[in-house]
Amino acid sequence: GNSVTQMEGPVTLSEEAFLTINCTYTATGYPSLFWYVQYPGEGLQLLLKATKADDKGSNKGFEATYRKETTSFHLEKGSVQVSDSAVYFCALIDSWGKLQFGAGTQVVVTP
Amino acid sequence: DTEVTQTPKHLVMGMTNKKSLKCEQHMGHRAMYWYKQKAKKPPELMFVYSYEKLSINESVPSRFSPECPNSSLLNLHLHALQPEDSALYLCASSQDPSGGLSYNEQFFGPGTRLTVL
Repeated sequence: GNSVTQMEGPVTLSEEAFLTINCTYTATGYPSLFWYVQYPGEGLQLLLKATKADDKGSNKGFEATYRKETTSFHLEKGSVQVSDSAVYFCALIDSWGKLQFGAGTQVVVTP
Repeated sequence: DTEVTQTPKHLVMGMTNKKSLKCEQHMGHRAMYWYKQKAKKPPELMFVYSYEKLSINESVPSRFSPECPNSSLLNLHLHALQPEDSALYLCASSQDPSGGLSYNEQFFGPGTRLTVL
């Protein structure tokens, strides 16, 4: 079956540091891939997406590239802010429209 | 209007109560979803409605009863819940599912935090 594996947190960074969150997936075919972010006490927000191999999704300074050869979709941001502190979920969507989430990675950015 | 709204934000209920959670979207989306999220875990899918018809039920106990009265509204009726049902309940919607639900990103509401005493 499909699965998503992402690095465990918490990831603690200083402001302006470089952030990488690794995400790999197992799936039949080539599913669309997503990163969602959940701020404390809130619902999930779609951060970015990619629908086919080599697509790069980007939003708010975050980027992720759909790598078919390594079945990966790593999230990166060049310079994090305290306001980026949140839980980040990598996800794929199967042919039934069911989102398969990774376990989530908590990111804590300190001033 | 590009958001999904949910009411109430918080709900406390006893095990013998009956309550309902409401979800609304005005983006013209024709697929709507209920998820359950426990603390420090990813959301788990409960139900999917496509064109106001129930298309997926992830073996959810019958004490949870979904309803989709029209294309903009989604309800979740709760009855005789257990303390372990305490969680954040998230609603989501996505666009026209006619091309397949896998092609449409899902937009989430802020959730209802439910506590069952």
